[in-house]
Amino acid sequence: SQKIEQNSEALNIQEGKTATLTCNYTNYSPAYLQWYRQDPGRGPVFLLLIRENEKEKRKERLKVTFDTTLKQSLFHITASQPADSATYLCALVNYGGSQGNLIFGKGTKLSVKP
Amino acid sequence: DGGITQSPKYLFRKEGQNVTLSCEQNLNHDAMYWYRQDPGQGLRLIYYSQIVNDFQKGDIAEGYSVSREKKESFPLTVTSAQKNPTAFYLCASTPGQYNQPQHFGDGTRLSIL
Repeated sequence: SQKIEQNSEALNIQEGKTATLTCNYTNYSPAYLQWYRQDPGRGPVFLLLIRENEKEKRKERLKVTFDTTLKQSLFHITASQPADSATYLCALVNYGGSQGNLIFGKGTKLSVKP
Repeated sequence: DGGITQSPKYLFRKEGQNVTLSCEQNLNHDAMYWYRQDPGQGLRLIYYSQIVNDFQKGDIAEGYSVSREKKESFPLTVTSAQKNPTAFYLCASTPGQYNQPQHFGDGTRLSIL
């Protein structure tokens, strides 16, 4: 079945730097990949969706790339701010288990220090 | 504002007791989902419903039950058969089609007394 891995549990960076988070998957390339932000004690909030035929997607200071050859998506936050500190989750469609539903990575906790 | 409301925010269960978590949405979404989140783990799907009066088991349905009698409501019951119920429970919804972004509530944290 499909597995999804976010290879850093935690990432600490300095304010103003670019944060880069990684999401890898193991089997088939999904048609879509999604990124969410989750604050402590809150539900995830959708940020960006990228399709398999899109190499890159941008939204304000956020950029997502999707490389089906590497089976990887990168999530970048440029000019990071302390307010960007949160856990970021990637998700893709699972055609193995619950047909067509999302499976989520464990998340990467980003801390941006002033 | 449209959204998903989960209640209560915190819930405590005694041994052998069933408890029901509420999830209400006013987004007019067809599909609703229940996830469980444990520390250091990704969200795991418990049950989902694509339409009123129909629902399917997710990956970890044992010890849980749901109903979908109304479009806007999808309550989750954690039964006494669920031996490790302590977790953060999240409800989500989508307009109906796969691959659409999910809208989440702010969760219910369930603990055992």
